[in-house]
Amino acid sequence: EAQVTQNPRYLITVTGKKLTVTCSQNMNHEYMSWYRQDPGLGLRQIYYSMNVEVTDKGDVPEGYKVSRKEKRNFPLILESPSPNQTSLYFCASSFYRDRGLEAFFGQGTRLTVV
Amino acid sequence: AQSVTQLDSHVSVSEGTPVLLRCNYSSSYSPSLFWYVQHPNKGLQLLLKYTSAATLVKGINGFEAEFKKSETSFHLTKPSAHMSDAAEYFCVVSLTIIQGAQKLVFGQGTRLTINP
Repeated sequence: EAQVTQNPRYLITVTGKKLTVTCSQNMNHEYMSWYRQDPGLGLRQIYYSMNVEVTDKGDVPEGYKVSRKEKRNFPLILESPSPNQTSLYFCASSFYRDRGLEAFFGQGTRLTVV
Repeated sequence: AQSVTQLDSHVSVSEGTPVLLRCNYSSSYSPSLFWYVQHPNKGLQLLLKYTSAATLVKGINGFEAEFKKSETSFHLTKPSAHMSDAAEYFCVVSLTIIQGAQKLVFGQGTRLTINP
């Protein structure tokens, strides 16, 4: 079954304590990305990766890091979380079909930074 | 710039009545457009997509959308709402960022409430 798996699903942490949200896909997709969802703003792209060792900033990259050492994994790293990073995060694994990019999404990670 | 605008942040309909969720896009060429649905505490699921084959696109769960280039719209409709349709709906465009690469740009979302 095609899957994008994020962990953890829920996380409460304190300001400044480094954390990592993992993301793994089993579809052999080259393209993966991270989004954050905030009320009234839809989903905004944080970082994306077009292949192993190829990553680039999305629309809201400040305060985040990513890495892509293997095709299936794309972790999101918050080196020093702050309360404005409290949000719902989604990892997506994508492929091109019929001229457009089509995405499979993980279940989401709800992060609270206090 | 290319983007999508969902015209209603919240739509409320009665069960059994038609659903209309509005989306306008701005694009300098014929885009790929999608509707995704997000049920409470769930991830996003693809409802349907337009990629220039047919302007009327049928999706899952009885939803359909019509691409109208003259109006730059891609409204989502369903003839008869069901309680299980209550969710957040996102209109999305696939946007070229650099040659050979695209990204998805999301509208702000429309929350659909179904009244019994």
